[in-house]
Amino acid sequence: SAVISQKPSRDICQRGTSLTIQCQVDSQVTMMFWYRQQPGQSLTLIATANQGSEATYESGFVIDKFPISRPNLTFSTLTVSNMSPEDSSIYLCSVEFEVEETQYFGPGTRLLVL
Amino acid sequence: GEDVEQSLFLSVREGDSSVINCTYTDSSSTYLYWYKQEPGAGLQLLTYIFSNMDMKQDQRLTVLLNKKDKHLSLRIADTQTGDSAIYFCAWDRGSTLGRLYFGRGTQLTVWP
Repeated sequence: SAVISQKPSRDICQRGTSLTIQCQVDSQVTMMFWYRQQPGQSLTLIATANQGSEATYESGFVIDKFPISRPNLTFSTLTVSNMSPEDSSIYLCSVEFEVEETQYFGPGTRLLVL
Repeated sequence: GEDVEQSLFLSVREGDSSVINCTYTDSSSTYLYWYKQEPGAGLQLLTYIFSNMDMKQDQRLTVLLNKKDKHLSLRIADTQTGDSAIYFCAWDRGSTLGRLYFGRGTQLTVWP
């Protein structure tokens, strides 16, 4: 398993602004992902954060809206750009180790956009 | 399609068994997972099953997989009030590592 932390844990933001969420893992991991959980809904994968290259986005998500960085094997950031109230969600990072076929999730960042 | 369906609500009395069901349409996946989400918390991995298995037992948890019917279930024996949470089934996307589909979640309420 892994210890995964996210910053901030929650935030309230004004529409039109941007927020960068950090995800830190206590050990090197092969795969890192970003998910969104809209209020009362299930989780939807936003993108795979690739170390040293551009993230791979899922259908319906674009780099201009959700730029992602992954400078090394233990850290990633997700930016929610030009926010609107529809972006109010919980954003979760997750990690998967190469030797395990299991995925562990961070505690999430609760975002409210006014 | 890759829809994953779950019943939304389940209520049981403390000490009874709980069974949470999940049906899916994607047959190419390798692993199926069960996650637990308590109020205000992240997702906790409970257990998982490899697609070539029919059953997996882990203490109070029993996972059953029926690939023919594309049906997955999680049985919690001797359910406790601390088991009250939302339970999500999740399914990987076959050959692509890590990308998961999630069910809608089942809210389990355990009454004392």
